Amino acid sequence: GAGVSQSPRYKVAKRGQDVALRCDPISGHVSLFWYQQALGQGPEFLTYFQNEAQLDKSGLPSDRFFAERPEGSVSTLKIQRTQQEDSAVYLCASSQPRDRGSETQYFGPGTRLLVL
Amino acid sequence: GQQLNQSPQSMFIQEGEDVSMNCTSSSIFNTWLWYKQDPGEGPVLLIALYKAGELTSNGRLTAQFGITRKDSFLNISASIPSDVGIYFCAGRIARAGTASKLTFGTGTRLQVTL
Repeated sequence: GAGVSQSPRYKVAKRGQDVALRCDPISGHVSLFWYQQALGQGPEFLTYFQNEAQLDKSGLPSDRFFAERPEGSVSTLKIQRTQQEDSAVYLCASSQPRDRGSETQYFGPGTRLLVL
Repeated sequence: GQQLNQSPQSMFIQEGEDVSMNCTSSSIFNTWLWYKQDPGEGPVLLIALYKAGELTSNGRLTAQFGITRKDSFLNISASIPSDVGIYFCAGRIARAGTASKLTFGTGTRLQVTL
């Protein structure tokens, strides 16, 4: 497709359930980011991949959060034993690094997670 | 996590008016970006700034990279109804040949009345 796609668009989970959120980046984009956006806030960085390598996971809030990109394209963000505070929009972005560090991150529409 | 301070938080303006919003940070960035987010969508890049003092325009939008590298502002001239949305600033420490994470502001919600 032309842009970043994410699925599902909406997810309702009961507290304690595991969830898996999928991101399909723009074809050929080397870099992939996950951000978390709480209601009324700006997005906050979670983790970053360059191809299949997870180069930065400093934003993951706890060890219940896990992300992977095994073949350097599609990525999955997994949240284990969901808690109510995990309710947020999870945004994925992809980009292609440029020589002058001027890459543009293109965002998907997000997955809205509600934990009851 | 860190979020940049944006002001105002929200604005109600009339169609045709000019709009100004700004963003401040406690730390230095070497790239400033402005995004717009519509309901149910991801942020879309409006303007990117790469050098302290730089002033860049994109149609009715003008943005400046503050000389201290800790602030930026965005102006929208002659607002129209489709300008409605949430505007976010974002800072980045960009490095050549590699991608880098964005640190976003708290957002400015813009409402335009006819």
